[in-house]
Amino acid sequence: EAQVTQNPRYLITVTGKKLTVTCSQNMNHEYMSWYRQDPGLGLRQIYYSMNVEVTDKGDVPEGYKVSRKEKRNFPLILESPSPNQTSLYFCASTPAMREGRTEAFFGQGTRLTVV
Amino acid sequence: GQNIDQPTEMTATEGAIVQINCTYQTSGFNGLFWYQQHAGEAPTFLSYNVLDGLEEKGRFSSFLSRSKGYSYLLLKELQMKDSASYLCAVRDPGAGFQKLVFGTGTRLLVSP
Repeated sequence: EAQVTQNPRYLITVTGKKLTVTCSQNMNHEYMSWYRQDPGLGLRQIYYSMNVEVTDKGDVPEGYKVSRKEKRNFPLILESPSPNQTSLYFCASTPAMREGRTEAFFGQGTRLTVV
Repeated sequence: GQNIDQPTEMTATEGAIVQINCTYQTSGFNGLFWYQQHAGEAPTFLSYNVLDGLEEKGRFSSFLSRSKGYSYLLLKELQMKDSASYLCAVRDPGAGFQKLVFGTGTRLLVSP
């Protein structure tokens, strides 16, 4: 089954304690991205990756890091989480436009609370 | 940059028809998406329009007018399970049009 898998689904942590949210897709997609979703603000892109070892900032990258060492995995790293990073996070992968299918596939979401 | 506007909230009755509008201003256009999102869950793809006109898919239809920067999602024969947020998104010219820019979503409440 084609899917994007995020872990964990829920996480409560303390300010300053490094954490990683994992994301893995089994569709061989080149393009992957991370979004955060906050009430009244919609989905905002944090970082994206066009392919292995190619990453770039989205609209709200401050306080986050990513890596893309393998095509299937795109972890989101919070080196020193702060309460303003409390949010619902989604990983998404998208086939290349040349493949025809164009919609993004989303992971199940990670609800992060930083206290 | 991109600017996408949708109504914040709408209400409708089971069995009725509802139209959710989306207007956008973009520096380049290469397609518009509609997604459905139930509370706390992942967005799921509903429709994609890149040319003007109506795309029909069962109870859901989506319309696009590129000259007006306007789209709508039409939901017919509403069911209680259609209570969700509906997200309009357009492709951004950055990153080879792979990036999606989302509106803030329209929360639809279907009542009996």
